[in-house]
Amino acid sequence: DGGITQSPKYLFRKEGQNVTLSCEQNLNHDAMYWYRQDPGQGLRLIYYSQIVNDFQKGDIAEGYSVSREKKESFPLTVTSAQKNPTAFYLCASSVRPMAEGYEAFFGQGTRLTVV
Amino acid sequence: EDQVTQSPEALRLQEGESSSLNCSYTVSGLRGLFWYRQDPGKGPEFLFTLYSAGEEKEKERLKATLTKKESFLHITAPKPEDSATYLCAVDTASKLTFGTGTRLQVTL
Repeated sequence: DGGITQSPKYLFRKEGQNVTLSCEQNLNHDAMYWYRQDPGQGLRLIYYSQIVNDFQKGDIAEGYSVSREKKESFPLTVTSAQKNPTAFYLCASSVRPMAEGYEAFFGQGTRLTVV
Repeated sequence: EDQVTQSPEALRLQEGESSSLNCSYTVSGLRGLFWYRQDPGKGPEFLFTLYSAGEEKEKERLKATLTKKESFLHITAPKPEDSATYLCAVDTASKLTFGTGTRLQVTL
């Protein structure tokens, strides 16, 4: 089945630790995205990538980093510089960049909790 | 600044009681408006894309419409399995902006 796989589903991080969230897609999509979802707020864009080896900051990139070494993979690292990392993280992909009117398809999310 | 406002925040319907969800937007250069359904603890599931005023799309009990300032998601004779949060997003030349969603609960 084609789709987007995020792992792990739940992740716990200690203060001061970096953690990496995985996102893999087998839809042959060019564009991939990371969003953060907090209660009572809309999805907010962290980073996006329109092509391999290229990515841009979204609205709330501080404290996060990404890489796009393969078309299928777009991992997100939450660094210790992110002051409030507890949230639900969603990865998405689209055939072409969403700014061209193409819908995005989402993974099932990773819930990150700082302990 | 692009803005998307969804109303109501929450809606409780009885099975079979039709209603509409609203998504109003203030953007420059709309390229598309998307509707998604999100179940608790899951990622959003794509429902519809609307591109121009006057366009309508249907899927089972759902029908989405678009004007120059807002979009409606009409739910006809809803069932309990339609309970979810419905998200609206607008696509401009620079990015995708999401609303905060409408939480729909359909009871027997």
